[in-house]
Amino acid sequence: AQTVTQSQPEMSVQEAETVTLSCTYDTSESNYYLFWYKQPPSRQMILVIRQEAYKQQNATENRFSVNFQKAAKSFSLKISDSQLGDTAMYFCAFMKPYTTNSGYALNFGKGTSLLVTP
Amino acid sequence: GAVVSQHPSRVICKSGTSVKIECRSLDFQATTMFWYRQFPKQSLMLMATSNEGSKATYEQGVEKDKFLINHASLTLSTLTVTSAHPEDSSFYICSASRGFYGYTFGSGTRLTVV
Repeated sequence: AQTVTQSQPEMSVQEAETVTLSCTYDTSESNYYLFWYKQPPSRQMILVIRQEAYKQQNATENRFSVNFQKAAKSFSLKISDSQLGDTAMYFCAFMKPYTTNSGYALNFGKGTSLLVTP
Repeated sequence: GAVVSQHPSRVICKSGTSVKIECRSLDFQATTMFWYRQFPKQSLMLMATSNEGSKATYEQGVEKDKFLINHASLTLSTLTVTSAHPEDSSFYICSASRGFYGYTFGSGTRLTVV
């Protein structure tokens, strides 16, 4: 079974600053996918960024980037130039390789509550 | 694109009654859908996996007779909470599988049982 650990229940950052959210996971799979999802107060789950384990290059989406360390099973999220709208719960998630006839559920970490202050 | 519509967004029901929650993929076919439950300030807990045309697979500890899941088409899955009780009050979220692109989530349903 895969486990996802987010060791920071709450974090705070000032507007325009940079913040890094930590995530570690445990798996025996050699290939898999990792995701960061954002859940703002509206509670809508929003995909922030995704990473394929077989790709060494770290994924980047505008102000969001990851530091993927496969050997260490670490997948941290860096948010640059933080904005007030980034205030949300952030969940790290793991997914086993997708097959054509079925999908595997996401395994979520417990989440990190991020507050961006003016 | 890739929108999942979940209805209702909020529902209040009396104890002992049943409530149905719908989850529709609007612009793609979803062979597999998932139902999650989320308590305040907690993570999403997987309840069941719903595959089109077959019986749902429930996670350990989830009562399949209380939480009935039907996935009759490639675009619709429903969750029915039967004989609801106050302890069933929670936030329920569905998601549809999109392969590597991850999962698209519905906007959630806040169920309150009084």
